[in-house]
Amino acid sequence: DTAVSQTPKYLVTQMGNDKSIKCEQNLGHDTMYWYKQDSKKFLKIMFSYNNKELIINETVPNRFSPKSPDKAHLNLHINSLELGDSAVYFCASSQDGLDTHEQYFGPGTRLTVT
Amino acid sequence: AQSVAQPEDQVNVAEGNPLTVKCTYSVSGNPYLFWYVQYPNRGLQFLLKYITGDNLVKGSYGFEAEFNKSQTSFHLKKPSALVSDSALYFCAVRVMNSGYSTLTFGKGTMLLVSP
Repeated sequence: DTAVSQTPKYLVTQMGNDKSIKCEQNLGHDTMYWYKQDSKKFLKIMFSYNNKELIINETVPNRFSPKSPDKAHLNLHINSLELGDSAVYFCASSQDGLDTHEQYFGPGTRLTVT
Repeated sequence: AQSVAQPEDQVNVAEGNPLTVKCTYSVSGNPYLFWYVQYPNRGLQFLLKYITGDNLVKGSYGFEAEFNKSQTSFHLKKPSALVSDSALYFCAVRVMNSGYSTLTFGKGTMLLVSP
């Protein structure tokens, strides 16, 4: 069974469009995250949710809106896509928000904005 | 600022030889340190962590890391490299933010193991 899954795996779209990425974890974890990995492989936290509540927002443009319908799901909606949004987006989960336990990462969604 | 540094973009080693991937950190208080590995077109996988206790931490796939407080380092090691160890390795440190934690990652080190 896949612990953290993301859909879609690839997303190609044009500038100005709106798109969503879905994430689900079946580990029973309380905390979920979105990360962005750029073309140089640099990995940066975007958002962190604990029990459906936003706890970390790392100065991400408000075109990005995460939504957590329940603690097993954390979706990412992006409005008015820009070329600079092209990256690989990773969802992750952990047992709690204290990072005493490891994070489990999804396989990533490669977003290409043309 | 709390951070980790991985000074090498790439490490090359022959199969069977020992490998070291370097990481230094800068945090206030006691550090929580992690190593993750990323294989091509995959998500990150946890290797090992240091929270407290023994300075030598053993992890997955035969990897270990040594926490050195005086040198503020947490280098990843393996006694005998395999070609299949070739991947991108990330060091990370826990950073506390308003009572919650996030991981700050280094820029990654590509490990290439030649046959």
